[in-house]
Amino acid sequence: GQQLNQSPQSMFIQEGEDVSMNCTSSSIFNTWLWYKQDPGEGPVLLIALYKAGELTSNGRLTAQFGITRKDSFLNISASIPSDVGIYFCAGQKTSGSRLTFGEGTQLTVNP
Amino acid sequence: GAVVSQHPSWVICKSGTSVKIECRSLDFQATTMFWYRQFPKQSLMLMATSNEGSKATYEQGVEKDKFLINHASLTLSTLTVTSAHPEDSSFYICSATPGGTNEQFFGPGTRLTVL
Repeated sequence: GQQLNQSPQSMFIQEGEDVSMNCTSSSIFNTWLWYKQDPGEGPVLLIALYKAGELTSNGRLTAQFGITRKDSFLNISASIPSDVGIYFCAGQKTSGSRLTFGEGTQLTVNP
Repeated sequence: GAVVSQHPSWVICKSGTSVKIECRSLDFQATTMFWYRQFPKQSLMLMATSNEGSKATYEQGVEKDKFLINHASLTLSTLTVTSAHPEDSSFYICSATPGGTNEQFFGPGTRLTVL
């Protein structure tokens, strides 16, 4: 099935650095979601975006819903070791409908 | 927050046997639940949409007779992998959406290993 184009595929950074990752799609989504998945666990919702152009923060995390509704980015500021994990973007066409996931970004934070 | 549980968290079975995985919404009702499969180092792939009181909707390429889904109540959906084979070994994850919201909350996943 369709997947979103998520980049980068992996990142290796030093503790304290800022991180940015993004997702793009050839089609429009009306909701963008960002999840974090730790090994052996299910994804945990970080941020949900519902309006084009919307910029939303959750602690050190900031995400934006692209104005064209075909992209979104996630920023993590001042990274810490517990930020390690896989980050997935997901797009949703209509309320309550299926999610389409990106390929994931594996984040490694070196202390 | 909305909590979704799965049972078992891991299971090992012999080839040819059937395995049932439960997905429960603990503090909300969910008319729709979703079942995903995730292979190592890959993203989540939707298998089917489980609708309470009606038949599940399967994604293309997913065998409905092999992956039986039952959504008998507003808080429980089950996925049964019938006649499991080693290639069915994977991480199975369910999700559910509380009524009135647009957010999907995921269960902790079930690791299935077929010997």
